[in-house]
Amino acid sequence: EDQVTQSPEALRLQEGESSSLNCSYTVSGLRGLFWYRQDPGKGPEFLFTLYSAGEEKEKERLKATLTKKESFLHITAPKPEDSATYLCAVQRLSYKLTFGKGTLLTVNP
Amino acid sequence: EAGVVQSPRYKIIEKKQPVAFWCNPISGHNTLYWYLQNLGQGPELLIRYENEEAVDDSQLPKDRFSAERLKGVDSTLKIQPAELGDSAVYLCASSLGTGADTQYFGPGTRLTVL
Repeated sequence: EDQVTQSPEALRLQEGESSSLNCSYTVSGLRGLFWYRQDPGKGPEFLFTLYSAGEEKEKERLKATLTKKESFLHITAPKPEDSATYLCAVQRLSYKLTFGKGTLLTVNP
Repeated sequence: EAGVVQSPRYKIIEKKQPVAFWCNPISGHNTLYWYLQNLGQGPELLIRYENEEAVDDSQLPKDRFSAERLKGVDSTLKIQPAELGDSAVYLCASSLGTGADTQYFGPGTRLTVL
């Protein structure tokens, strides 16, 4: 059975304090790993897709990396508007997405 | 480009009552998904449609849940009768196709069953 574990469950940072979120996974036949951002009362918003170990993608202050067992979402010099829940999901060779529980990030000014 | 549209955004009902949720996917997206998200959890797939065909409904509790996607565009998810444990957020998502295509989510419907 596919498993996705995200850590930490919650992270509180000061504005400008860089850090990383972790997503470790067990899946048969990984087709892609997805990162989403979810704000309170809203649906998940797509951030990145990673397909193979060693791949990296960046968007503004966010950078996602992938190894054979985990993915990291690095946040450089975060701002309060980066506060949200970050969800990781893995997709098999079939279509199915399996999500982790998410990391609640709070960035204080 | 308009995103995935869902209605209503909020619904409060008494247990044993029926409830329905509506979803309009992004134009041109053939694949539509319904997910359930409990508080503090990630979304869990209920059903996937390819055009008007339900190709995976293995996680849909068929004794009380039903879904349809007429004409391969809009979709409706129904619960009858609702139970207290059905309180959750119901998310609709769509993608151009299956495979590794990105799924785009709507804002969700928050259901409260009293």
